Amino acid sequence: RKEVEQDPGPFNVPEGATVAFNCTYSNSASQSFFWYRQDCRKEPKLLMSVYSSGNEDGRFTAQLNRASQYISLLIRDSKLSDSATYLCVLHTNAGKSTFGDGTTLTVKP
Amino acid sequence: DAGVIQSPRHEVTEMGQEVTLRCKPISGHNSLFWYRQTMMRGLELLIYFNNNVPIDDSGMPEDRFSAKMPNASFSTLKIQPSEPRDSAVYFCASSLLRQGTGVQPQHFGDGTRLSIL
Repeated sequence: RKEVEQDPGPFNVPEGATVAFNCTYSNSASQSFFWYRQDCRKEPKLLMSVYSSGNEDGRFTAQLNRASQYISLLIRDSKLSDSATYLCVLHTNAGKSTFGDGTTLTVKP
Repeated sequence: DAGVIQSPRHEVTEMGQEVTLRCKPISGHNSLFWYRQTMMRGLELLIYFNNNVPIDDSGMPEDRFSAKMPNASFSTLKIQPSEPRDSAVYFCASSLLRQGTGVQPQHFGDGTRLSIL
C-alpha cells in the first residue's frame, strides 16, 4: 500500500460546480500537510496549508482529519482556470516529504 | 526575490554519459529536496538535505545517482552513467525547517527536463 493515496481522477466538472478531493495517508508520524497545484509541464505550486481546524482561502477549503488519517480539499464555484492536477504532501517533523500521485481536475464551460 | 533556480532547463544526452543537475535554493532556506517526476511513478523524493547534510537518501534509485550540497546555496544531482530509464523531470525544492514549528511549505524550481537517448 502506498504511503499516500489519492484518487487520480480525472474529475470532469462544469463551471460553477463544487468538487472535493481526498488524500489518505498511513504514516501517523506525518505532522505538516499541504495542497499543491501543478499545471501541465510546470512545477508544483503551493495552494494552501492544511490544519485540523480547517483552512479557508476564498473558494478553497482544506481540512485535516488526524483520527481517520486523511486530508481534503474542497473547491467551490469552480472556474476554468482551476483545471490542473492537485497534489497533497505530508511531512514528518524531520522534514521528510511524501507526495500523492495527484488528482486531475478538468473544469468545462 | 529569486526563487529556486535550476539548471539546465533541458538536457538531452546519450546513454552512458554523465549528467549533472544544479540547484540554487532560496536564500535563508535550510532544507533542500530533489525529486523526480514521471507519468508512471509520479513525484518521487530522491534525497533531502537539512543544513547541507543529507538526511534521507532512501529514494535514490541506485548507485548511479549521487547528490551533494557543499554549501547552503548550491546542490548538485549527478547521474553516472545515465540510462534511458532516467528520462524524467527533475525538480529541486527548498523550504525552511524550524524547530518547534515544523516544516514550512516547499518552493519548487522550474525543473530540468532530462532525456537520455
